Amino acid sequence: DAGVIQSPRHEVTEMGQEVTLRCKPISGHNSLFWYRQTMMRGLELLIYFNNNVPIDDSGMPEDRFSAKMPNASFSTLKIQPSEPRDSAVYFCASRRTSGGETDTQYFGPGTRLTVL
Amino acid sequence: EDQVTQSPEALRLQEGESSSLNCSYTVSGLRGLFWYRQDPGKGPEFLFTLYSAGEEKEKERLKATLTKKESFLHITAPKPEDSATYLCAVQAGYQLIWGAGTKLIIKP
Repeated sequence: DAGVIQSPRHEVTEMGQEVTLRCKPISGHNSLFWYRQTMMRGLELLIYFNNNVPIDDSGMPEDRFSAKMPNASFSTLKIQPSEPRDSAVYFCASRRTSGGETDTQYFGPGTRLTVL
Repeated sequence: EDQVTQSPEALRLQEGESSSLNCSYTVSGLRGLFWYRQDPGKGPEFLFTLYSAGEEKEKERLKATLTKKESFLHITAPKPEDSATYLCAVQAGYQLIWGAGTKLIIKP
């Protein structure tokens, strides 16, 4: 299995620009999570999808952030306009939602975003 | 309020020096406690899931244990390649509540 795939791995942009992060979950997984990680705040859940439907977006910082999951194999996280305080590592994780061992979330390699 | 606290924040050991990392939690209705390893520049890598008090799991030099209030990650005779940040998380509903992690450094 290829694992969770994220692109790009690194993104450097200027304040005010639109940024789009991409994620391909593990095949067969029906839940997808977007996280942000910073030194100050650790791992923060931004949004959770189940069966391609957004279930909880309460962690999305503000209206500048949006996420979509048009199908079971692709999701995007968009920031428009970007600000320097959005600089962080963004992770996508996927999970097969059912009981027992299959509750484990598997993480992608992350996208390191720097907003100048 | 659901909460996870990890200690110590950082731990430096000599190669071969065994020790333990702590994860204390408060959660209503524990559905699982997870340990992950994170190397610099990479995503968290799954290690173990524990579901009930008294449960233990082992993988190479690592052993995870669980009580009703805390979990320990025991590392036996560590090697430099065990250096990483170890993250603990508890499942509350569909979410994972994360600890801040313990940065483990093993000196050769």
